[in-house]
Amino acid sequence: EVQLVESGGGSVQPGGSLRLSCATSGFTLSWFWMHWVRQAPGRGPVWVSRINADGTTTSYADSVKGRFTISRDNAKNTVYLQVSSLRAEDTAVYYCVRGLLGGDDSWGQGTLVTVSS
Amino acid sequence: QSVLTQPPSVSAAPGQKVTISCSGSSSNVGNNYVSWYQQLPGTAPKLLIYHNDKRPSGIPDRFSGSKSGTSATLGITGLQTGDEADYYCGTWDSSLSAVVFGGGTKLTVL
Repeated sequence: EVQLVESGGGSVQPGGSLRLSCATSGFTLSWFWMHWVRQAPGRGPVWVSRINADGTTTSYADSVKGRFTISRDNAKNTVYLQVSSLRAEDTAVYYCVRGLLGGDDSWGQGTLVTVSS
Repeated sequence: QSVLTQPPSVSAAPGQKVTISCSGSSSNVGNNYVSWYQQLPGTAPKLLIYHNDKRPSGIPDRFSGSKSGTSATLGITGLQTGDEADYYCGTWDSSLSAVVFGGGTKLTVL
């Protein structure tokens, strides 16, 4: 069974940082592009970042460029999102997604990040 | 303001059919595959349609997708109360170099 389990979310003050993790199982992580997508309360999903299968290529939404960093450790079956210089508008549930938009698309349950003073 | 435009809400009676539109431009819907997602309250989005009209295994054929030009459409037949959810379209935007989603459509089964 394909599983993606996010962790690392929490409550943080503006300007703070967190490291989100996505532990995967049930498939070969090294075969897939991986993405992070976030969803603010009551809003639609918004793409944040992606990383290719071997970790050599990354891209980011303009809203997070320079503040967020995506990475992966295929040996540990884990994908990461380092989120820094956090703002109130970064408050959202952050989802880890395998193969976004494609036939192998699969989402985790999400981890909530709340940015508030 | 989302890059892809969806109606905020649609409704229909149980057993009836409904369609949800997703309007974009040549940089996204017009030249890239469209996917559709269903999001039930308190859960993550779930893929319903990919590559415009393909259904993943386990998705009933009551759900269908189509695309023409810069617009895509999700169709749902034989509506059930369990279909009440938010529905989102998504695709790649070649100009933005980003995945973009619609603002979502809330389906009410009366």
